[in-house]
Amino acid sequence: DTGVSQDPRHKITKRGQNVTFRCDPISEHNRLYWYRQTLGQGPEFLTYFQNEAQLEKSRLLSDRFSAERPKGSFSTLEIQRTEQGDSAMYLCASSPRGGSVGTDTQYFGPGTRLTVL
Amino acid sequence: QKEVEQNSGPLSVPEGAIASLNCTYSDRGSQSFFWYRQYSGKSPELIMFIYSNGDKEDGRFTAQLNKASQYVSLLIRDSQPSDSATYLCAVNPRNTGGFKTIFGAGTRLFVKA
Repeated sequence: DTGVSQDPRHKITKRGQNVTFRCDPISEHNRLYWYRQTLGQGPEFLTYFQNEAQLEKSRLLSDRFSAERPKGSFSTLEIQRTEQGDSAMYLCASSPRGGSVGTDTQYFGPGTRLTVL
Repeated sequence: QKEVEQNSGPLSVPEGAIASLNCTYSDRGSQSFFWYRQYSGKSPELIMFIYSNGDKEDGRFTAQLNKASQYVSLLIRDSQPSDSATYLCAVNPRNTGGFKTIFGAGTRLFVKA
């Protein structure tokens, strides 16, 4: 068990460019989450996958954001036409199979820090 | 009203003292409650979870849940300088299906040596 990994760890881009982040969850974790965190705030929920199905997407997530989890393994988060307000830490978390809904313990990756110039 | 509220701090305690961190939540039907610790520049790591009213102890940490008051707390006994971090309270509200976790903004804790 190597933990949740994210790539890249840091990304600097110019406004208007597209960026894509990758998350590899802990093996056999069927639930995967994406969060965004800005300085002085807690993680803000973006979206949730159970296996390959995207079950929830935050209303805060504009159409410029899209996430996928093909085959229920790794996930990607793409931001199109980046804006300066997108600058944040993007965190991925996974949680294990089993247990009932509402008893979800999440394990976080190291995050991808995005800076939009 | 925010869904999960925490005092942002900083909370400063001397080494060896008890640190008390508090959190309130708005959804009375919330099912699961978590405390995460986050060091500066790092990602959150789970300290404890609690589902039932009452206390739950794990080493130097005790989580307390009072659903009637919509209140959850974390006590850290014998605080150490290494406990200095931001502590995030997180809740799974029932009205989101139970899998959408809402985090508070966190309380910064400083333990003085």
